[in-house]
Amino acid sequence: GAVVSQHPSWVICKSGTSVKIECRSLDFQATTMFWYRQFPKQSLMLMATSNEGSKATYEQGVEKDKFLINHASLTLSTLTVTSAHPEDSSFYICSAPSAGTDTQYFGPGTRLTVL
Amino acid sequence: GNSVTQMEGPVTLSEEAFLTINCTYTATGYPSLFWYVQYPGEGLQLLLKATKADDKGSNKGFEATYRKETTSFHLEKGSVQVSDSAVYFCALSSSNTGKLIFGQGTTLQVKP
Repeated sequence: GAVVSQHPSWVICKSGTSVKIECRSLDFQATTMFWYRQFPKQSLMLMATSNEGSKATYEQGVEKDKFLINHASLTLSTLTVTSAHPEDSSFYICSAPSAGTDTQYFGPGTRLTVL
Repeated sequence: GNSVTQMEGPVTLSEEAFLTINCTYTATGYPSLFWYVQYPGEGLQLLLKATKADDKGSNKGFEATYRKETTSFHLEKGSVQVSDSAVYFCALSSSNTGKLIFGQGTTLQVKP
């Protein structure tokens, strides 16, 4: 099946710094990718829809200036957490739909810890 | 708005026991329904799906039937194995945007 990768798998950073997370579709093209956030023992919350060639669409309550999304190509979307703070510590997951289907393929996630 | 509600976990079963994880949803229109599984240390994987009322999704011995009259999509397996230990998420997609709305997840622990 289709594969989605994320890099890095985990990152620790100091408060106030920015962190970039990459999401790649390895064997298919994705004009749309989704970014989720998962807190411990909780569900996935959709943060934004990443659109290749246009601006991302953010869900209500998500700060677009804090979580910068760039869909640089048909196989790459990046999420940059700017001026990170401890409350941004979470598990960030991306997904991409396979063209012509309603099946999403998920990346393995990135664990962000902000000290 | 659209939402998904799953039974609280964790669910602890002995090997070969029968499994049911309840899932109900609220949605306008006719959503597609999914079960995703997250094994320890891995990303979410699609387990099964159903796209219209009365459809039954099945995979790896798991089944779920799309019940519009009860707005439910309960996950069942007749005989669980230790390797089924994971977190199971019920989800719906109600538009052609591809957005998924997830339930809170149910942790399943199967003991030998």
